[in-house]
Amino acid sequence: EADIYQTPRYLVIGTGKKITLECSQTMGHDKMYWYQQDPGMELHLIHYSYGVNSTEKGDLSSESTVSRIRTEHFPLTLESARPSHTSQYLCASSEYRQGRYGYTFGSGTRLTVV
Amino acid sequence: GENVEQHPSTLSVQEGDSAVIKCTYSDSASNYFPWYKQELGKGPQLIIDIRSNVGEKKDQRIAVTLNKTAKHFSLHITETQPEDSAVYFCAASIAASKLTFGTGTRLQVTL
Repeated sequence: EADIYQTPRYLVIGTGKKITLECSQTMGHDKMYWYQQDPGMELHLIHYSYGVNSTEKGDLSSESTVSRIRTEHFPLTLESARPSHTSQYLCASSEYRQGRYGYTFGSGTRLTVV
Repeated sequence: GENVEQHPSTLSVQEGDSAVIKCTYSDSASNYFPWYKQELGKGPQLIIDIRSNVGEKKDQRIAVTLNKTAKHFSLHITETQPEDSAVYFCAASIAASKLTFGTGTRLQVTL
């Protein structure tokens, strides 16, 4: 079944550690995105990619980085985690095909930096 | 860039009543307007979407209307049920690329 997968679902980590949040999709979508969701609900775009070897920063400034070496994989990395990075991170992918838009979210990674 | 405003931020209705959530957008180039439902601990789930060449779309108890001239779009849920309780987000984009989200509406359906 086509879907988008994020791991881990929950992560508690100490300040200064390097972390990578994984995101994979099986739908062959060219476009992928990372959103950060505040505790108060609002979603903000932090990174996006329109294809392999293409990455751009989103509307919200973030100290994280991303890579897109394979179509299906779009990991997000924090080199040195800080308490201010505590948030929920949502990955998504999209494609326009045969007259229909497909835009799908993963279940998210809830990151807590202590 | 695009700016999406969403109202109300919280909405409480009795079971069986209708719920309406409204959004406005700023970029006239936006042509794709999805609505998402997010339950606790889960990612947003698409419930209905509309493209700018359509004024209204309906799927069972859920309908979305779009007024391109006024840059307004609304979600209508009829015959609400307790399982409709969740946070709802509107969004706008050009051709399902980067989504700009509204600030969310927490819907509570009471018995």
